[in-house]
Amino acid sequence: DGGITQSPKYLFRKEGQNVTLSCEQNLNHDAMYWYRQDPGQGLRLIYYSQIVNDFQKGDIAEGYSVSREKKESFPLTVTSAQKNPTAFYLCASSFAGNANTEAFFGQGTRLTVV
Amino acid sequence: GQQLNQSPQSMFIQEGEDVSMNCTSSSIFNTWLWYKQDPGEGPVLLIALYKAGELTSNGRLTAQFGITRKDSFLNISASIPSDVGIYFCAGRVRGSSNTGKLIFGQGTTLQVKP
Repeated sequence: DGGITQSPKYLFRKEGQNVTLSCEQNLNHDAMYWYRQDPGQGLRLIYYSQIVNDFQKGDIAEGYSVSREKKESFPLTVTSAQKNPTAFYLCASSFAGNANTEAFFGQGTRLTVV
Repeated sequence: GQQLNQSPQSMFIQEGEDVSMNCTSSSIFNTWLWYKQDPGEGPVLLIALYKAGELTSNGRLTAQFGITRKDSFLNISASIPSDVGIYFCAGRVRGSSNTGKLIFGQGTTLQVKP
């Protein structure tokens, strides 16, 4: 079945460690996005990519890094420079361009830093 | 950056009541999307709107793309307990160089009392 998959669903890390969240899609979508959600809050854009080997910073990119080596994959690394990394992370994908497109989300990864 | 103002922030209603929520922006949008998020899950797309004035229904849900292109509303008729969740609006700015960037509202938390 086509879809977008995030893994793992729950992740625990010690403070100061880098951690990478996986996002894979088989929808043949060009664009992929990473959002952060804090309790009771909306979605804030971290990074997005409209094409392989290219990505742009969102509103809260500091302390995060991404890569887009393959169309299907858009991993997010939460670095030790992120001051408050504990949050719910959501990945989404869509067709790119200025056309009528819909974005679909993965199930999310809940990251807890202890 | 661009912002979406979503209201109300939360609603607590009786089962069977109708619900209305809306989003407004200072920017012109070419796409409006409405999502529902259950606790601990990724948002699920409910309705997509692409033309000014467009009115679209999905079961008990109805959404409209405002004529000014700067607003949208979502109505839920005859609410049931499973309507509980967070509802998000999202928009894609018309003519933006960041054509792949979706902007989200802060969400409306809906609680339904049986």
